Amino acid sequence: RKEVEQDPGPFNVPEGATVAFNCTYSNSASQSFFWYRQDCRKEPKLLMSVYSSGNEDGRFTAQLNRASQYISLLIRDSKLSDSATYLCVVIPFMGRRALTFGSGTRLQVQP
Amino acid sequence: EAEVAQSPRYKITEKSQAVAFWCDPISGHATLYWYRQILGQGPELLVQFQDESVVDDSQLPKDRFSAERLKGVDSTLKIQPAELGDSAMYLCASSLSGAGDTGELFFGEGSRLTVL
Repeated sequence: RKEVEQDPGPFNVPEGATVAFNCTYSNSASQSFFWYRQDCRKEPKLLMSVYSSGNEDGRFTAQLNRASQYISLLIRDSKLSDSATYLCVVIPFMGRRALTFGSGTRLQVQP
Repeated sequence: EAEVAQSPRYKITEKSQAVAFWCDPISGHATLYWYRQILGQGPELLVQFQDESVVDDSQLPKDRFSAERLKGVDSTLKIQPAELGDSAMYLCASSLSGAGDTGELFFGEGSRLTVL
């Protein structure tokens, strides 16, 4: 079983739509959680951290459910510029501090 | 343009040849990572350095891959001999301290390797 699993998509949505991605992680001892964004043929960049209490940044909301071991990302009022791959990222456990990435969910926002 | 410098951007080689990638992290960043990203997948950690010391190389195929960061600044990743399955993007990233503090890694633009 992969440490981090995501639906690869693609999610094709019209501009202005609300879209949500989920991600599950296998290690219950995982410490920290993040969403990264990767544009086509570009490097990944941090989008936002995910806190137990939830985290909102403009049109983006991230939530963590430790009991069910999943993380979500909600994007409201989608823009064309939101088209990208969204990578779910965890730090698995204290002994291994490097980020572990999911395979990503591809979003395509259409006019 | 990414602040983490990598070269070469593109490398085409034949199988069994040797290849090397270079990375210069953001100045002052103690932690350096090499990730491999196969098309359609997420980045996979190969090796993590803290200054000049290897912190995690558990996923590095040591029979053919080697990495060094001799002076704790720039780093080189080598593959010898290259195999068809090594075709991927090799991403270097750095962070000020451990990634766990903020979760923010700064990636370079990557070195795309094609093995024929």
